[in-house]
Amino acid sequence: NAGVTQTPKFQVLKTGQSMTLQCAQDMNHNSMYWYRQDPGMGLRLIYYSASEGTTDKGEVPNGYNVSRLNKREFSLRLESAAPSQTSVYFCASSSRLAGPNEQFFGPGTRLTVL
Amino acid sequence: GENVEQHPSTLSVQEGDSAVIKCTYSDSASNYFPWYKQELGKRPQLIIDIRSNVGEKKDQRIAVTLNKTAKHFSLHITETQPEDSAVYFCAASKGDYKLSFGAGTTVTVRA
Repeated sequence: NAGVTQTPKFQVLKTGQSMTLQCAQDMNHNSMYWYRQDPGMGLRLIYYSASEGTTDKGEVPNGYNVSRLNKREFSLRLESAAPSQTSVYFCASSSRLAGPNEQFFGPGTRLTVL
Repeated sequence: GENVEQHPSTLSVQEGDSAVIKCTYSDSASNYFPWYKQELGKRPQLIIDIRSNVGEKKDQRIAVTLNKTAKHFSLHITETQPEDSAVYFCAASKGDYKLSFGAGTTVTVRA
């Protein structure tokens, strides 16, 4: 089991460029999440997908879009990157058995927007 | 939405001493409180969690306590070791599968 995987590991963009961050999990989890991590601010939820076919905004959704492609895959798209989106992005997944429980994180994508 | 505050932001302890991190939350409907550990350059990983029907939970050298009335919960690490050096995050959930995280505590264990 690979757990949660993310691509790419590192990316540098110029302001205005677009890109898609990919995430996949092989744990048969229903729920998937995208977070961004900035120094001194913890992990902030961008979007989440409680189950296949649904997506909802989190705390900081502006400037991002998501697609739950199937049960395994959840992608995050930046349509027009801005320097404020420089961050480390983590994807996570969890099962929905017996209420909220452990979220498993991917290795992260370090994004720099110039 | 839920607001989670975490203190202190940095904590330095002598090896073998105890470390305590405290968090408060704002939404009384929150019922799930996990703690994550993140080593430098790595992903966050769950170390312990507690649900609202329990006041305390222990796993070897780590323990978590929850005071629902006061809306705060704490992480206790006893007999600290160098491998305990990391950033620790508390979080809270209302049962809708979303987690609201604290800002993190950087723990340094001095040899």
